[in-house]
Amino acid sequence: DVKVTQSSRYLVKRTGEKVFLECVQDMDHENMFWYRQDPGLGLRLIYFSYDVKMKEKGDIPEGYSVSREKKERFSLILESASTNQTSMYLCASSLEAGGMTDTQYFGPGTRLTVL
Amino acid sequence: QKEVEQNSGPLSVPEGAIASLNCTYSDRGSQSFFWYRQYSGKSPELIMFIYSNGDKEDGRFTAQLNKASQYVSLLIRDSQPSDSATYLCAVSMDSSYKLIFGSGTRLLVRP
Repeated sequence: DVKVTQSSRYLVKRTGEKVFLECVQDMDHENMFWYRQDPGLGLRLIYFSYDVKMKEKGDIPEGYSVSREKKERFSLILESASTNQTSMYLCASSLEAGGMTDTQYFGPGTRLTVL
Repeated sequence: QKEVEQNSGPLSVPEGAIASLNCTYSDRGSQSFFWYRQYSGKSPELIMFIYSNGDKEDGRFTAQLNKASQYVSLLIRDSQPSDSATYLCAVSMDSSYKLIFGSGTRLLVRP
């Protein structure tokens, strides 16, 4: 079974703090993704990575950065947290790009509250 | 703007009935279609995917794809209260890393 883990289930931070969200997958997947999910807005892609040290912006990258130094680990960084970044953050991974059956598997999510 | 549309619901069905969940998409280049189930407070989990026109069955679940009309649906037979969740439709382009998600349909199965 694919296992995607995230470092925290719940996190509370203060405005202006630097926040690190960690994601690890154990299935040697090439691709990793960070989404945020908000009521009424669905899942929105923040960043994704298709290889170590490679990254591409998703639909809402502003205010975020990412790091992928090892294949199994993908970090999301909020350089200076703001209240509008309060959300559920979901990490996902998939085996390879382009396959018609390439499936994304999700971690349990981190609910971040910025006060 | 590529879009995936779902009725937000809730769709309420009695236990044992067939639940029908629908999804339309705007980009004719879309190739693969995924259905995820998400329980409240949990992360999405894959139910099934489909990429050929027609029906694909997996247990109590059937996905239906009609590329000409640009819709994909999920049928749940013999619905159970444990099927109560939000169902997300996701669409991908050929050779694309990205999935475009709909906002989901909330399903309630009444005992």
